Amino acid sequence: AQSVSQHNHHVILSEAASLELGCNYSYGGTVNLFWYVQYPGQHLQLLLKYFSGDPLVKGIKGFEAEFIKSKFSFNLRKPSVQWSDTAEYFCAVNSVNDYKLSFGAGTTVTVRA
Amino acid sequence: EAQVTQNPRYLITVTGKKLTVTCSQNMNHEYMSWYRQDPGLGLRQIYYSMNVEVTDKGDVPEGYKVSRKEKRNFPLILESPSPNQTSLYFCASSGAASGRGEQFFGPGTRLTVL
Repeated sequence: AQSVSQHNHHVILSEAASLELGCNYSYGGTVNLFWYVQYPGQHLQLLLKYFSGDPLVKGIKGFEAEFIKSKFSFNLRKPSVQWSDTAEYFCAVNSVNDYKLSFGAGTTVTVRA
Repeated sequence: EAQVTQNPRYLITVTGKKLTVTCSQNMNHEYMSWYRQDPGLGLRQIYYSMNVEVTDKGDVPEGYKVSRKEKRNFPLILESPSPNQTSLYFCASSGAASGRGEQFFGPGTRLTVL
């Protein structure tokens, strides 16, 4: 069975600081990888995804993530955060032949103005 | 507009009173799923459906039922709700055309069981 681990439960940053959220998964086969964001009071939205190809993927709002297959990792980064990036971030994984997503526990990011 | 809708958005009920949360999608997606979100636990899958009349248990199915009589609808039924089912519930859908795993989420239903 797949499992997803997010390293940080809660991250507090100041505006303009850089953000990196860790995500590791355990699964022996080929996977698709996702980062979802949930702004306060809203539903989950797709931030970025990796299916294949270039392991560095760019998403919306200046976010990017790097897939490192040897480390089973898919870390999310943003060079300079804004107050509006305050949200909960979820890493998710599925097998390429399956719809079922496994989610990490989420990381709450608070950006202070 | 492509979307997943859920109703109601907020619900307060009492133990044992049957309730249904509706979910509908307009993207002709074959896959639909229900999740519950609890602090520190992320999203956990309750039930999913690969297509009409095809449903299966997820990771936390106890106390829930679902049905898939039409492709667009996937209601979640709590026959006898209990306080431990107080949670935030999300419906999601996915289709092969959008890439398996890329799921579109509804706005959520916040359920409180007293």
